Amino acid sequence: NAGVTQTPKFRILKIGQSMTLQCTQDMNHNYMYWYRQDPGMGLKLIYYSVGAGITDKGEVPNGYNVSRSTTEDFPLRLELAAPSQTSVYFCATPTGGETQYFGPGTRLLVL
Amino acid sequence: GENVEQHPSTLSVQEGDSAVIKCTYSDSASNYFPWYKQELGKRPQLIIDIRSNVGEKKDQRIAVTLNKTAKHFSLHITETQPEDSAVYFCAGGIIGNEKLTFGTGTRLTIIP
Repeated sequence: NAGVTQTPKFRILKIGQSMTLQCTQDMNHNYMYWYRQDPGMGLKLIYYSVGAGITDKGEVPNGYNVSRSTTEDFPLRLELAAPSQTSVYFCATPTGGETQYFGPGTRLLVL
Repeated sequence: GENVEQHPSTLSVQEGDSAVIKCTYSDSASNYFPWYKQELGKRPQLIIDIRSNVGEKKDQRIAVTLNKTAKHFSLHITETQPEDSAVYFCAGGIIGNEKLTFGTGTRLTIIP
């Protein structure tokens, strides 16, 4: 299902490095979300967007930035990677109504 | 904001028996409650959801019940099978808001 794609699948960063996690959806949905999932834990909302040009903070936004220049793309930026940002990152968008459909995830390791 | 608590954190069930996972929520305005299943290394996937205008919803071996007064909802899996082994997440949200708050997950293990 090509609904939500994420790149890269896996990345190792050194402390202090920066990177952008890419998320693209082809379902033309206005809403998009970024979650992080720490090992053995639930999903925490980092940022979300209700449409192109509009973004808002979620539960754990510190250390991240987002932009939404198009409906399709919602990149997540880490400026100064820290070990605490080691996690799996999921992008999501509603499939229609309230149900959120998740991308395959990006596994990030910060050493 | 909404707070969703989920219990138990781990659950082991003999194959063929039933499994029940419970969640409570804090925001009385919440009216949408999905359940997600996450297999190891995979993305969370919706398995069933319920809106607050109904008390129960069933889909084959899976059912969800909702008690609005007590602000809790439960996932019931009957006739469990090995492929039911996974982590299950509950979530709560408000229709139209389209933001969900997730529980911390339950690791369900089906013992053959």
